[in-house]
Amino acid sequence: QKEVEQDPGPLSVPEGAIVSLNCTYSNSAFQYFMWYRQYSRKGPELLMYTYSSGNKEDGRFTAQVDKSSKYISLFIRDSQPSDSATYLCAMRSEGGSEKLVFGKGTKLTVNP
Amino acid sequence: SAVISQKPSRDICQRGTSLTIQCQVDSQVTMMFWYRQQPGQSLTLIATANQGSEATYESGFVIDKFPISRPNLTFSTLTVSNLSPEDSSIYLCSVAWGGNQPQHFGDGTRLSIL
Repeated sequence: QKEVEQDPGPLSVPEGAIVSLNCTYSNSAFQYFMWYRQYSRKGPELLMYTYSSGNKEDGRFTAQVDKSSKYISLFIRDSQPSDSATYLCAMRSEGGSEKLVFGKGTKLTVNP
Repeated sequence: SAVISQKPSRDICQRGTSLTIQCQVDSQVTMMFWYRQQPGQSLTLIATANQGSEATYESGFVIDKFPISRPNLTFSTLTVSNLSPEDSSIYLCSVAWGGNQPQHFGDGTRLSIL
């Protein structure tokens, strides 16, 4: 079992839709959870950074972490064509190594 | 936010040669990292570049193949040695401004091997 599982998609939605992106993980030591957005031929751009369980909202983006289920989500409200990108989840444990463990990424297309 | 510059942005190299990739940050950072992103695969950490000491490599990556330098708090290089087709990948530099701080990435170097 891989440490982090993420459905690669592709996911295609109409403009204005609510998008739900998800990752599951197996390592209960993970405490920091991140979502990155990666446009074609660009590096990953940090969207959300959360610690432990709970929700965090930033504009149209909401990150949720459920450590009991080892499940994290990113919701995008009122999706726009400019949201079309690959979304990567990443996570790491507390203390020790700063190593990030990534999912494979989900490719999202928002159609106008 | 800080600017993280990687050079070259892409390159095509011959088998058996080496390529050195540079990562420059416009402010001092505590931590610098090198990742590899292979097609269809997850981003994978190669090593942590430690300022003034040897890099810390992850399992499966060795110094002879991926020598790393970090002469100061704003600059690091990754060399990919004795290139083979399996080294065709995107190589990414990331930085963090302290422990438990999020990592921020450069735009990567796209490497193809002939």
